[in-house]
Amino acid sequence: IAGITQAPTSQILAAGRRMTLRCTQDMRHNAMYWYRQDLGLGLRLIHYSNTAGTTGKGEVPDGYSVSRANTDDFPLTLASAVPSQTSVYFCASSRDSGRTDTQYFGPGTRLTVL
Amino acid sequence: AQSVTQLGSHVSVSEGALVLLRCNYSSSVPPYLFWYVQYPNQGLQLLLKYTTGATLVKGINGFEAEFKKSETSFHLTKPSAHMSDAAEYFCAVKESGGSNYKLTFGKGTLLTVNP
Repeated sequence: IAGITQAPTSQILAAGRRMTLRCTQDMRHNAMYWYRQDLGLGLRLIHYSNTAGTTGKGEVPDGYSVSRANTDDFPLTLASAVPSQTSVYFCASSRDSGRTDTQYFGPGTRLTVL
Repeated sequence: AQSVTQLGSHVSVSEGALVLLRCNYSSSVPPYLFWYVQYPNQGLQLLLKYTTGATLVKGINGFEAEFKKSETSFHLTKPSAHMSDAAEYFCAVKESGGSNYKLTFGKGTLLTVNP
């Protein structure tokens, strides 16, 4: 059972370039999430999706977009990367978006924008 | 609005000593509380969670946490630290009631275990 896979593992990107971070889960979870982790700030929610076909904005959505065409995949796109988007990005999923549902996390993508 | 405060960004203990990681929350309604652990270069893994019922919650790897409503706290403890416990620990709150489905994380506490 793979759980959640993320690609790439790490990436160095020139400012202004477009980048898509991939996330795939095989648990048939309805809800998926993207977080960024920065030193001293913990994890902050970028975007979420409660079910396929729907998405919503989290705490720090500016500069990012997502889509949820099917249950398994939830890509995160940076249309024009900036250095402040240097971070570690985690994808997560949960069975549903209910109060007791546990979120499971992928291994992360380390992104550096120069 | 809800928030989570983890007291101490870095805690250092000796192997075999008690581990105590502090977490306080603010919430207008009874919260659902979680502790996650992150080992170096890995994603987050659930340690334990409190939803309803017994206020003392046992998790994996010998950790436990107690929900204290009067103190708005959910501190994480382990009686005897092991070298393998060295990691970063995150407390998170999910507010019950309404349609709030998002976790709010604390800023994390890095646990160092000295031999």
